[in-house]
Amino acid sequence: NAGVMQNPRHLVRRRGQEARLRCSPMKGHSHVYWYRQLPEEGLKFMVYLQKENIIDESGMPKERFSAEFPKEGPSILRIQQVVRGDSAAYFCASSPPAGGPKETQYFGPGTRLLVL
Amino acid sequence: AQRVTQPEKLLSVFKGAPVELKCNYSYSGSPELFWYVQYSRQRLQLLLRHISRESIKGFTADLNKGETSFHLKKPFAQEEDSAMYYCALRAGTALIFGKGTTLSVSS
Repeated sequence: NAGVMQNPRHLVRRRGQEARLRCSPMKGHSHVYWYRQLPEEGLKFMVYLQKENIIDESGMPKERFSAEFPKEGPSILRIQQVVRGDSAAYFCASSPPAGGPKETQYFGPGTRLLVL
Repeated sequence: AQRVTQPEKLLSVFKGAPVELKCNYSYSGSPELFWYVQYSRQRLQLLLRHISRESIKGFTADLNKGETSFHLKKPFAQEEDSAMYYCALRAGTALIFGKGTTLSVSS
């Protein structure tokens, strides 16, 4: 099992561009979580998705950020019109379906986004 | 407010010395607490969770509801324990993380 995969590992964007971050959960996992880590901070929850459904987006900024987890393919975190403050490490985690969010979350290696 | 506090940014110890990484939490419900570890150039991985009451790599952590603490302890530190350690609290769907403590073990 390759574990949670994220790509790209590093992403550089200029202000105003769009950033697309991808996350492939572990095999058999149907729950995906996105976290953001700003410099010198802990990970902050953004959104929790199951296949084709957003379950909890209480941590998502109200504008420019969106997430999806389609029936086929990876989960996507999309940031439109990026600003310098979006520079951070974005981590994806997945968990198996049995216990839902009560299950252990397994983390990917993260995507480091740098906005110039 | 739901919060996890790790007061030490960096903890440096010598090999063989005891280690205690501090974690305090604030949560109105029944807490579920975890320690995650990130070794250099590796991904974040679960070290232990309080409901399992297990010992992993010699580390233990006891939930103290009176002091709202979940400190991570190891009696004899090893150089391979050097890593970033995060305490986390499950609040509904999400995990709430502390800012992390870097443990540096030198010989």
